[in-house]
Amino acid sequence: DIVMTQTPLSSPVTLGQPASISCRSSESLVHSNGKTYLNWVHQRPGQPPRLLIYKISNRVSGVPDRFSGTGAGTDFTLKISRVEAEDVGVYYCVQATQFPRTFGQGTTVEIK
Amino acid sequence: EVLLVESGGELVQPGGSLRLSCAASGFTFSNYGMSWVRQAPGKGLEWVATINGDGINTHFGDSVQGRFTISRDNSKNTLYLHMSSLRAEDTAIYYCTHDAQYDNIFWGQGTLVTVSA
Repeated sequence: DIVMTQTPLSSPVTLGQPASISCRSSESLVHSNGKTYLNWVHQRPGQPPRLLIYKISNRVSGVPDRFSGTGAGTDFTLKISRVEAEDVGVYYCVQATQFPRTFGQGTTVEIK
Repeated sequence: EVLLVESGGELVQPGGSLRLSCAASGFTFSNYGMSWVRQAPGKGLEWVATINGDGINTHFGDSVQGRFTISRDNSKNTLYLHMSSLRAEDTAIYYCTHDAQYDNIFWGQGTLVTVSA
């Protein structure tokens, strides 16, 4: 199974300041079709998860451009350029390159 | 508008069985592989199972393999999760979602399954 490791697990951030979350996979997420199935999911307290970014760097419609995803192979990063109050919650990376699908442990973003 | 509405969660005794349903609307259901993902109280997300669009191919997480089955009725736009030999550690909110390989993935609100005597 592919193990997804996120760092940090907790990220206290001042409003308006940047935040960055790293996600590392135990093996390459490049599929045999050449695509890399690495997504970022956000879950606000008491809410279901929602997709933010798919295939490393593609923002879902409606997601603000302060969110960006980068990376390749086994190392990926989610960045928030200027954190807003609505960005609090837990962020998960998830790989869909192979079964079983696996999630990172989650990173809690909170306002200082 | 895409909607995924789960139902069927309840309190069940250890060793018991339960069937969850997910009613889908707002997209061509049969074109999409669908998954169940669960979240134990205070814990992270755990993938449970996935079924492809025509219902032929299924995959399961190790923790539920042999106890859970996933199925779908494309004529009713409904996804199912059949759970048996339930254990306390199966207690979780169960979410219906598109398989994570797609570019547009929606999640339902979830249904709570509690396994307790």
